[in-house]
Amino acid sequence: EVVMTQSPATLSVSPGQRATLSCRASQSVASNLAWYQQKLGQAPRLLIFGASTRATGIPARFGGSGSGTEFTLTISSLQSEDFAVYYCQQYNNWPLTFGGGTKVEIK
Amino acid sequence: EVQLVESGGGLVQPGGSLRLSCAASGFTFSRFAMSWVRQTPGKGLEWVSATGGGGGYTFYADSVKGRFTISRDNSRNTLYLQLDSLRGEDTALYFCAKPSVGGNWFESWGQGTPVTVSS
Repeated sequence: EVVMTQSPATLSVSPGQRATLSCRASQSVASNLAWYQQKLGQAPRLLIFGASTRATGIPARFGGSGSGTEFTLTISSLQSEDFAVYYCQQYNNWPLTFGGGTKVEIK
Repeated sequence: EVQLVESGGGLVQPGGSLRLSCAASGFTFSRFAMSWVRQTPGKGLEWVSATGGGGGYTFYADSVKGRFTISRDNSRNTLYLQLDSLRGEDTALYFCAKPSVGGNWFESWGQGTPVTVSS
């Protein structure tokens, strides 16, 4: 199974600042990586697929990059609604696997 | 608009069984593979199982293989997950999730149904 490791576990950022979240795969997943945002009490919401393609309706301040084993989600200027938990997921191999999440909190 | 509505969760004793359902609408259900994903309290997401659009293939996480069974009824636009031999570690919120036509990333999720395994 492909193990997905996210870092940091918690990221404290001030509104308007940039946030950079990392996701590492235990083996290459090519560009078969997605990012999700989850707020308390809600289902996850798809942000990015194909490592860098924004899903429908996702603001341009969310950007994904990387391939192989190293991936990054960047939020260029954090808005109040962006404080949440973010998960990466690989879909290159079965079983599908998720990272443990990064909580983005207000500094 | 895609809608996924899970039901069937509840409190069950260790060793017990439950059947979860996911009623789908807003898309051609039979054309899409579907998955179950769970989230344990305070923890992250774990993919559980998937089935093809025609039910021709099924995949399971090792943690549930041999105990859970995924199925679907395309005439009723409904996905199922039969949970048998339940353990405490199966306690979680179970989501139904619809992948994109392009691959196994999840573009739509239900709100989840909670399962608690406890004596």
